[in-house]
Amino acid sequence: AQSVTQLDSHVSVSEGTPVLLRCNYSSSYSPSLFWYVQHPNKGLQLLLKYTSAATLVKGINGFEAEFKKSETSFHLTKPSAHMSDAAEYFCVVSDRSGYSTLTFGKGTMLLVSP
Amino acid sequence: EAQVTQNPRYLITVTGKKLTVTCSQNMNHEYMSWYRQDPGLGLRQIYYSMNVEVTDKGDVPEGYKVSRKEKRNFPLILESPSPNQTSLYFCASSPGPGRNGEQYFGPGTRLTVT
Repeated sequence: AQSVTQLDSHVSVSEGTPVLLRCNYSSSYSPSLFWYVQHPNKGLQLLLKYTSAATLVKGINGFEAEFKKSETSFHLTKPSAHMSDAAEYFCVVSDRSGYSTLTFGKGTMLLVSP
Repeated sequence: EAQVTQNPRYLITVTGKKLTVTCSQNMNHEYMSWYRQDPGLGLRQIYYSMNVEVTDKGDVPEGYKVSRKEKRNFPLILESPSPNQTSLYFCASSPGPGRNGEQYFGPGTRLTVT
């Protein structure tokens, strides 16, 4: 069984300040982990993925995430928020064996103020 | 352009009137799935398909049917819609084993059942 917990339903930051979106996971297998972003009235877009190579993963738009097995965490960060980062972010876990199903977190809404 | 398309984008219907939401992808992906998104619940998987003629239930399959007669199409069928199926629906596809976490999402279908 696998599960994902996004620790904050909403995060508010000012433009130009760092972003931290927290995600903890549980998995019986070696997991693959993903972050997806959903802008208003849009479908989800893959932001970045971890699949067992480097533990620090770089994604699009300056986002990064670090896989920490000892803490079962996969937090998403960005050094400096931009207004266009305002969106909902989903952490996703999948086991790496073949056709596994995905488990989505409940999402974190990122609000960016000027 | 590589994409997943869904139709219709918006649909208002009445209880009990059968409907079909179409989904098509042009990336020759093996894996396709349907999700529903509800506030505070994130995305929940309805059904998925590993290839033509191979489908399986996700987390919330009750009240839905699917078929996969061609690789590119994966329609979602609601035989007798009810108000609790009012939701935002997403179709997604991915390349296949070991990469099913890399999902390409359609733009979504907003369904209202009165």
